[in-house]
Amino acid sequence: GQNIDQPTEMTATEGAIVQINCTYQTSGFNGLFWYQQHAGEAPTFLSYNVLDGLEEKGRFSSFLSRSKGYSYLLLKELQMKDSASYLCAVYSNYQLIWGAGTKLIIKP
Amino acid sequence: DARVTQTPRHKVTEMGQEVTMRCQPILGHNTVFWYRQTMMQGLELLAYFRNRAPLDDSGMPKDRFSAEMPDATLATLKIQPSEPRDSAVYFCASGLGGGYQETQYFGPGTRLLVL
Repeated sequence: GQNIDQPTEMTATEGAIVQINCTYQTSGFNGLFWYQQHAGEAPTFLSYNVLDGLEEKGRFSSFLSRSKGYSYLLLKELQMKDSASYLCAVYSNYQLIWGAGTKLIIKP
Repeated sequence: DARVTQTPRHKVTEMGQEVTMRCQPILGHNTVFWYRQTMMQGLELLAYFRNRAPLDDSGMPKDRFSAEMPDATLATLKIQPSEPRDSAVYFCASGLGGGYQETQYFGPGTRLLVL
């Protein structure tokens, strides 16, 4: 079957660092996406990993280990505007399989 | 700037009524996706098209839902008859298909409430 797991909710402090994990079991793998979704808005693209390793984009980094079926999104220097849901999605057999998302709450 | 547009943004209707949602993909994109999002189920893929041809609609209740792409600039999703359990946010997304790194760009969504 196809399965993607993420924590339901996480809380972090403004200015800190947070790591959101995603594990997956899919019949195929052609890349992993992270999307950000603010409450009441549409998901927006954050990152794409297809090879093992870390991809850095400003305050956000995404890591992939294909052998472990594991990815994480690292957010540094957290800002209040980073309060949102973060969705992990795996491209498998020409479809994106979506996780349920992790709601990130940032406290001052 | 290029973006996916959806109409209407909000829709309140009564059970049994027909609902039509429209989507204009980003110009030049050849793949269109319809998703439904609820608190309980998260994002569910309902259907998707590539070069206007339906590739997968297995996620869509066939008895009441239909999706079409009459031309490259318009995709529609219809519900007839609508039921309260259809209340959700319906997102359209478009992308440049053909490669694995197919980033999907989402529209603002249609918030549907069926009473």
